[in-house]
Amino acid sequence: EAGVVQSPRYKIIEKKQPVAFWCNPISGHNTLYWYLQNLGQGPELLIRYENEEAVDDSQLPKDRFSAERLKGVDSTLKIQPAELGDSAVYLCASSSPLAGGPRKQFFGPGTRLTVL
Amino acid sequence: AQKVTQAQTEISVVEKEDVTLDCVYETRDTTYYLFWYKQPPSGELVFLIRRNSFDEQNEISGRYSWNFQKSTSSFNFTITASQVVDSAVYFCALSGGSSNTGKLIFGQGTTLQVKP
Repeated sequence: EAGVVQSPRYKIIEKKQPVAFWCNPISGHNTLYWYLQNLGQGPELLIRYENEEAVDDSQLPKDRFSAERLKGVDSTLKIQPAELGDSAVYLCASSSPLAGGPRKQFFGPGTRLTVL
Repeated sequence: AQKVTQAQTEISVVEKEDVTLDCVYETRDTTYYLFWYKQPPSGELVFLIRRNSFDEQNEISGRYSWNFQKSTSSFNFTITASQVVDSAVYFCALSGGSSNTGKLIFGQGTTLQVKP
């Protein structure tokens, strides 16, 4: 079974440029999470989707970050414009009630963003 | 507020030594879940274990064992006879409440280096 897929794996951009990250969860997983992981820190939740609905986006900086999961499958996280402080790893995870429940999350390899 | 503290930033051991990674948590919830994840250099978080707050039984899985003590709010992880492949960052995480939100609160992680 394929795991959570994320692309790109690495992205280098200049500040003020836009950037987008893509995530394809494990097939059949209705819950999708985006996490931000700063260097030397644990991941922090940005947004959680149940199917296509964002049910927890309280930690998403909405002035520059946006996310969508239009068909309830894959998802895109966007930053516009990027700032130096956005340099981090962006992790996607998914879960399913049939695969351990909402608290057993399967993570992708992440996208490492560097803003110059 | 919920919080997870991993006081050990880095641990270095020689292969075959036993090593214990400490985790202390804070929560006001009576129902909660505790997790350990492993993050190898590839970046993907790998699920190791989940325990709920009503099950204080210690668990052993091969060389891995976990000691859950509610009295001290700790959920420590021991690797017996460590191997070089155990080198990674290990995260303890907490998910609280009975609402099944799935939101994980991570500690800062402990970097384990196992030298041959």
